[in-house]
Amino acid sequence: AQKITQTQPGMFVQEKEAVTLDCTYDTSDPSYGLFWYKQPSSGEMIFLIYQGSYDQQNATEGRYSLNFQKARKSANLVISASQLGDSAMYFCAMRGLEYGNKLVFGAGTILRVKS
Amino acid sequence: NAGVTQTPKFQVLKTGQSMTLQCAQDMNHEYMSWYRQDPGMGLRLIHYSVGAGITDQGEVPNGYNVSRSTTEDFPLRLLSAAPSQTSVYFCASSYGDGGVNYGYTFGSGTRLTVV
Repeated sequence: AQKITQTQPGMFVQEKEAVTLDCTYDTSDPSYGLFWYKQPSSGEMIFLIYQGSYDQQNATEGRYSLNFQKARKSANLVISASQLGDSAMYFCAMRGLEYGNKLVFGAGTILRVKS
Repeated sequence: NAGVTQTPKFQVLKTGQSMTLQCAQDMNHEYMSWYRQDPGMGLRLIHYSVGAGITDQGEVPNGYNVSRSTTEDFPLRLLSAAPSQTSVYFCASSYGDGGVNYGYTFGSGTRLTVV
């Protein structure tokens, strides 16, 4: 069974608009962590934001926020005021004891920001 | 602080050749992992280690060996390269102690082509 599902292979967004990248996950653990990484065309993996399963509030980091809906097992990334430099591949990932505390990844979403 | 250092950045191998991808981290992280990235499949775990002297298989271990003689180093060995091993390889490290809230720090990746 797919542990992390990213249903959008590719997305376009107009510069300065907001965009939501979808992520759903599957676990029976009560304690787990959710992560988003950005991979620009240069190839490096850049950590963006983290959400813990017990966190009461949605995580925010600058223009990035995580729309965490625990009952629906979704952890969507919201990027506000998109910039051309946001064009990249975005990965959702989860870490939990059910998976041996290893970080497991979704297939990724390619985001293209149009000027 | 160097973080996670991977060498080489690029490599071309002939089918049947062997080689070692090097990975070193200077953050005293207990967890170290090797992932491979293929289009449309996200990052898949090859092998991982929870500390010096301890290694285990991930999702796609066939054709690869690892060892962890020190906390800092976690080399990945390709025993007999095959075209199916053409991929981008990432080494990553993290704090352990069972915490699910620790993200991984990634190396810059190795682009391997097997001809």
